[in-house]
Amino acid sequence: ELKVEQNPLFLSMQEGKNYTIYCNYSTTSDRLYWYRQDPGKSLESLFVLLSNGAVKQEGRLMASLDTKARLSTLHITAAVHDLSATYFCAVDITGTASKLTFGTGTRLQVTL
Amino acid sequence: NAGVTQTPKFRVLKTGQSMTLLCAQDMNHEYMYWYRQDPGMGLRLIHYSVGEGTTAKGEVPDGYNVSRLKKQNFLLGLESAAPSQTSVYFCASSGFGYTFGSGTRLTVV
Repeated sequence: ELKVEQNPLFLSMQEGKNYTIYCNYSTTSDRLYWYRQDPGKSLESLFVLLSNGAVKQEGRLMASLDTKARLSTLHITAAVHDLSATYFCAVDITGTASKLTFGTGTRLQVTL
Repeated sequence: NAGVTQTPKFRVLKTGQSMTLLCAQDMNHEYMYWYRQDPGMGLRLIHYSVGEGTTAKGEVPDGYNVSRLKKQNFLLGLESAAPSQTSVYFCASSGFGYTFGSGTRLTVV
């Protein structure tokens, strides 16, 4: 059974600081996704990581994937209040049917 | 806009009542999914479908049924609602990536 673990579960950080969210998964994956969710809203796709060593950046967020370690990271650079949200990683294993397994989420609170 | 549409957006049910949640997508995707989201637990897969006329169980299927009579629609049914089914339900469809609906907030009292 695939397990996806995120840490930390909650992160409070000051504006301007850097931090990393970690996502570990228990079996070989075809694709890894990062999503953002604002309170009461749906999921917004941030990144799709397809191969070992993949790195993608968008603004102050950078995601990377190490398939050998079964680890993905979401790095936040110089956080701003607008980044406050819950971030999920999700793993997709294409076998008989492609489907996502989600981590528990990291609630990020950026304080002024 | 192209995407995934869920109806209704909110619903309150009494214990034992039944209801159907509708998911419609206009992207011609083969795969569709129903997830539930509970505080602190991320999204968990209830049922999914790999094409018209096919359905399969996910991680938490008990108490739910689904049907995929048309490719664009995926219905989630609760035959006898229980308070434990209070949750936010998300539908998704997938082509290369996944597209999520806006969610249905269901409260069972």
